[in-house]
Amino acid sequence: EAGVTQFPSHSVIEKGQTVTLRCDPISGHDNLYWYRRVMGKEIKFLLHFVKESKQDESGMPNNRFLAERTGGTYSTLKVQPAELEDSGVYFCASSPRRGNSGNTIYFGEGSWLTVV
Amino acid sequence: KNEVEQSPQNLTAQEGEFITINCSYSVGISALHWLQQHPGGGIVSLFMLSSGKKKHGRLIATINIQEKHSSLHITASHPRDSAVYICAVKGSNYQLIWGAGTKLIIKP
Repeated sequence: EAGVTQFPSHSVIEKGQTVTLRCDPISGHDNLYWYRRVMGKEIKFLLHFVKESKQDESGMPNNRFLAERTGGTYSTLKVQPAELEDSGVYFCASSPRRGNSGNTIYFGEGSWLTVV
Repeated sequence: KNEVEQSPQNLTAQEGEFITINCSYSVGISALHWLQQHPGGGIVSLFMLSSGKKKHGRLIATINIQEKHSSLHITASHPRDSAVYICAVKGSNYQLIWGAGTKLIIKP
């Protein structure tokens, strides 16, 4: 079974450009999470999808960030326009279903974003 | 004060030593995760705990819910154990709250 996959693994863009990160969760997983680690700081929660619905987007830093999960399958995280402080690693994770606090969360390898 | 505190921040030890990494949290949780982040950046889930103790190979994780404390132990440490070990707790809203991580270096 394929794990959580993220694309691109690395991206270097100029300030002001747009970048779209993609996450393919494990097939059948309803829960999908985005996290990020910016330089020198802890990993922070961004948002949580249950199927196609945004369950919690309290961690989204500002309106330059837009996350979607059309059809409840893969998710995209778009940063537009990118700023220097957006540089970091963006992790995606998924877990099987809602309502089961015993679920293991599976993580992707992360998308490394560098804004120059 | 962070809701999840890990100690130590950095740990360097000799191969074969017994390693302990600690995690304390201040919020109510439904589960606690221990994760490993390799130098390349990928995160691997080691354990998920809601009570008691779990063991996998040379790794042991314990949790004391009353004291809001968990420990990760590595027996007979090896250079390949060198990584960042992260404690993360899951609250009732399914968010993970992350500790800052412990950078472990095992010297041969």
